[in-house]
Amino acid sequence: GNSVTQMEGPVTLSEEAFLTINCTYTATGYPSLFWYVQYPGEGLQLLLKATKADDKGSNKGFEATYRKETTSFHLEKGSVQVSDSAVYFCALSENDYKLSFGAGTTVTVRA
Amino acid sequence: GAVVSQHPSWVICKSGTSVKIECRSLDFQATTMFWYRQFPKQSLMLMATSNEGSKATYEQGVEKDKFLINHASLTLSTLTVTSAHPEDSSFYICSASSLVPSGPNEQFFGPGTRLTVL
Repeated sequence: GNSVTQMEGPVTLSEEAFLTINCTYTATGYPSLFWYVQYPGEGLQLLLKATKADDKGSNKGFEATYRKETTSFHLEKGSVQVSDSAVYFCALSENDYKLSFGAGTTVTVRA
Repeated sequence: GAVVSQHPSWVICKSGTSVKIECRSLDFQATTMFWYRQFPKQSLMLMATSNEGSKATYEQGVEKDKFLINHASLTLSTLTVTSAHPEDSSFYICSASSLVPSGPNEQFFGPGTRLTVL
């Protein structure tokens, strides 16, 4: 079956630090990969996605590259801000459109 | 992006009562809606997938008689937790998607409903 494993948190960073959240997946086919963000008190929002190998998704300074050879989709941001404090979820979806989520990583950015 | 609302945002009920949660797509027609459950500091677990006008498909381990899902229109799905017990206390989240053959399409998430059963 499909599964997503992502880096355990919590992660605490200073403003302008570099952020990496590791995500690896197991899938039977060729899934689409997603990163969702959940800000405090809000619902999940799609941050970025990639639908095929070597695609790079990017949004709000965040990037992730679909690496089929390593079955990974690591999230990176070069300089985080306090407003990036949130829970980040890696997820995958195959042809049935159902999403399988990782456990989530809580990121706290301190001023 | 598309907007999905949930009502109520939080509810407290007594053990043994039933609670209905609504999920609405406000500016698009949702052919498919998904219901998730999220425990504190944990990930979202898919409970069921509902397509407009047909019966919901439940994930393994989810009691269909306890969690009744109705998707009667392209903009509304409801989840009813019947005879709720304290262990049903959780954060329930819906998402909506408009499927097209070229998919996969993005799921748009509601803000969630916090259910507390006393």
